[in-house]
Amino acid sequence: EVQLVESGGALVQPGGSLRLSCAASGFTFSSYALSWVRQAPGKGLEWVSGISASVGRTYYADSVQGRFTISRADSKNMLFLQMNSLRVDDAAIYYCVKGGQTVAGNAYDTWGRGTLVTVSS
Amino acid sequence: DIVMTQSPDSLAVSLGERATINCKSSQSVLYSSNNKNYLAWYKQKPGQPPKLLIYWASTRESGVPDRFSGSGSGTDFTLTISSLQAEDVAVYFCQQYYSTPLTFGGGTKVEIK
Repeated sequence: EVQLVESGGALVQPGGSLRLSCAASGFTFSSYALSWVRQAPGKGLEWVSGISASVGRTYYADSVQGRFTISRADSKNMLFLQMNSLRVDDAAIYYCVKGGQTVAGNAYDTWGRGTLVTVSS
Repeated sequence: DIVMTQSPDSLAVSLGERATINCKSSQSVLYSSNNKNYLAWYKQKPGQPPKLLIYWASTRESGVPDRFSGSGSGTDFTLTISSLQAEDVAVYFCQQYYSTPLTFGGGTKVEIK
């Protein structure tokens, strides 16, 4: 069974940092691009960042460019999102998602259950 | 960025009746080299992550009931539920995966009338 399990969400103060993790299983991790999608409470979906398979090329939404860093550890089947300089509007459920080999070009056929990030003083 | 606009924001349909959701992209998501529309539809129930229903604008994901169908090309797309069932109450999102940043529509909430 293909599975994605996020962790690392927490309550953090504005300006703080957090590192999210996503553990993958049930598929050849290194062959697939992975992304983070977030959803603020009661709101819609926002793509945050993605990383391609193989060369690990990274992509970011303008709203997080320069503050967030996506990375992957293929040997451990893990995806990460380092979030710095967090703002109140970064608060959301963060989903780890799987598509195809490239960040664009495929729909997301697998979603994790998400991890909640709360940014508040 | 490609902006995705869904309509309506919500709709109430009687059980067994048809539900239709529209999605418009600000630029074409049809890739001419393979004649594929890079458009997906997702269903999200409360407290759950989204679930892929339709990709390439009209291809049903494995296990999705055939009452769900997708149509359209270029910039205008439609998700149709031919005979609404109680378990179809959810929020539906369209998404373009033609280019980064990948973008979603604002969502359409489907309820029972």
